[in-house]
Amino acid sequence: TQLLEQSPQFLSIQEGENLTVYCNSSSVFSSLQWYRQEPGEGPVLLVTVVTGGEVKKLKRLTFQFGDARKDSSLHITAAQPGDTGLYLCAGAPGGKLIFGQGTELSVKP
Amino acid sequence: ETGVTQTPRHLVMGMTNKKSLKCEQHLGHNAMYWYKQSAKKPLELMFVYNFKEQTENNSVPSRFSPECPNSSHLFLHLHTLQPEDSALYLCASSQVVAKRGNQPQHFGDGTRLSIL
Repeated sequence: TQLLEQSPQFLSIQEGENLTVYCNSSSVFSSLQWYRQEPGEGPVLLVTVVTGGEVKKLKRLTFQFGDARKDSSLHITAAQPGDTGLYLCAGAPGGKLIFGQGTELSVKP
Repeated sequence: ETGVTQTPRHLVMGMTNKKSLKCEQHLGHNAMYWYKQSAKKPLELMFVYNFKEQTENNSVPSRFSPECPNSSHLFLHLHTLQPEDSALYLCASSQVVAKRGNQPQHFGDGTRLSIL
């Protein structure tokens, strides 16, 4: 079974703290996507990483694709309450799109 | 901006009822998807349609019956559901079928389904 494992599953931090979320697999991915899902809404695409070792920045969010294209990380600097939500990674090893189980982030003011 | 609209947003039904979920996309996309999202489980892909043709059925029980009359509309017909089918059902669309995971998927806000 090809899986995407995310860690941690839950994270509760204070406003202003930094955090990193991980997405790992034993499979090689041609690309990985990160989505954020806020309560009561559907997931929204944040970024797609394609090249091994690639780093992409979206304001305070930094996404990295592992050199071997088997893992990815999302780092948030100085988290804000608006960053609260479920963060999902997704990829398509073997042509079938799969999602990780998500990291539920809560940022308290 | 939500280019993918799902109705109803909430649905409570008994196990013997028949109901339908509706999804409409205004993005000009050619691929549409149904997902099931249960607590503490990964998003589960249920069905994929490409240019109105079903291209994937992930071993979904026959009590779920999809219908795609055109590239903009997708339905999920429900009949004789079980309590474990209670979940958030999400519809998504993409320009083309996301075979390599590099196609952005645009999601609706889902239908929260509760089976009594």
